[in-house]
Amino acid sequence: AQSVTQLDSHVSVSEGTPVLLRCNYSSSYSPSLFWYVQHPNKGLQLLLKYTSAATLVKGINGFEAEFKKSETSFHLTKPSAHMSDAAEYFCVVYVRDSNYQLIWGAGTKLIIKP
Amino acid sequence: SQTIHQWPATLVQPVGSPLSLECTVEGTSNPNLYWYRQAAGRGLQLLFYSVGIGQISSEVPQNLSASRPQDRQFILSSKKLLLSDSGFYLCAWSETWNTEAFFGQGTRLTVV
Repeated sequence: AQSVTQLDSHVSVSEGTPVLLRCNYSSSYSPSLFWYVQHPNKGLQLLLKYTSAATLVKGINGFEAEFKKSETSFHLTKPSAHMSDAAEYFCVVYVRDSNYQLIWGAGTKLIIKP
Repeated sequence: SQTIHQWPATLVQPVGSPLSLECTVEGTSNPNLYWYRQAAGRGLQLLFYSVGIGQISSEVPQNLSASRPQDRQFILSSKKLLLSDSGFYLCAWSETWNTEAFFGQGTRLTVV
């Protein structure tokens, strides 16, 4: 069965320090992977996606993620956190055999300390 | 460019009352359409998806139903709301199954 695990429900970092949001997936097939961001009481916005091209994917707002097949991971990083990055982040996997569903992680709330 | 509109933004309804949330997409044709629910502290749960007019697939048994009367219109309904229907509802569209989904701004539903 396919699944997505976001290893931290909350991550707290100081402004200007690096951000790491962890995501592991389980899939029997080559997946497509996405990271979405949701600001409070807002809809979701796509940050970046991996669809079997370059393993290092750059997204909006300075975020990037690296697909590591051997580790079944797709961690999201940013070199320097900004206050506006405070939001909830979702890792999502699409697999052909998942009855056409996107499988969503439970989310990681990113807190930025001034 | 494509846009998605979802309304209302917030809604407070009494238990047992009906529900109708509407979502429309502009700038594309024959999109895949989705209704999700997001409970506090949890990820998104897919409720319904649609690949075409009148074609609705339900992912979980529930008190809700969905309809697609037009190509770019997707409606979430209930005849009698339950307290457990409270949550944040999101409409989304995508071109195909494995491309990115674009989301509406969501509806915060509180059943009292």
